[in-house]
Amino acid sequence: DIQMTQSPSSLSASIGDRVTITCRASQDISTYLAWYQQKPGKVPKLLIYAASTLQSGVPSRFGGSGSGTDFTLTISSLQPEDVATYYCQKYNSAPFTFGPGTKVDIK
Amino acid sequence: QVQLVESGGGVVQPGRSLRLSCAASGFSFSSIAIHWVRQAPGKGLEWVADIWGDGSKKYYGESVEGRFTISRDNSKNTVYLQMNSLRVDDAAVYYCARAPLGRGYFDYWGQGTLVTVSS
Repeated sequence: DIQMTQSPSSLSASIGDRVTITCRASQDISTYLAWYQQKPGKVPKLLIYAASTLQSGVPSRFGGSGSGTDFTLTISSLQPEDVATYYCQKYNSAPFTFGPGTKVDIK
Repeated sequence: QVQLVESGGGVVQPGRSLRLSCAASGFSFSSIAIHWVRQAPGKGLEWVADIWGDGSKKYYGESVEGRFTISRDNSKNTVYLQMNSLRVDDAAVYYCARAPLGRGYFDYWGQGTLVTVSS
């Protein structure tokens, strides 16, 4: 099975900072990659699918890129409401594995 | 609007069984694959199982294969997860989630139901 890794596992950044989270697949998954945001105590929320397509209603400061095995989620200007854990997920085929998550908080 | 509502969670002893339900509304249910995803306390998301809209195909995560069974009743707009031989490490919040047509990412999630496995 394809394994998903994320880095870093956690980060602290200041309001307005550009934040980058990396996700890596152990095999080529083309662009079958989604990103989710989960705020503390809340249900996960879809941010991006097809590696770079923003889900409707998601702020434009969120962006995704990559293909094959290496992917990036970028928050262009970190806001207080972005404090959350972010997960990548492969969906080219079952199993639909999630990455271990990256916890983002405010410095 | 799209809604997914899980039920059936609770406290169960190791080795026993439990059946979760996911009731859906607000979309063409029989056309859409439904997935179960779980999250152990303080841990990350783990994909558990999915079932195609017509029920013709089902897939399972390695950790539940052979113990859990996913099914659906399209006349009731409901998906079920039958969990047998429960283990302590099956304890988690179980979410059902909808995958848009032909896709494997999840655009709508339920609120989750908590399963506790303890003697």
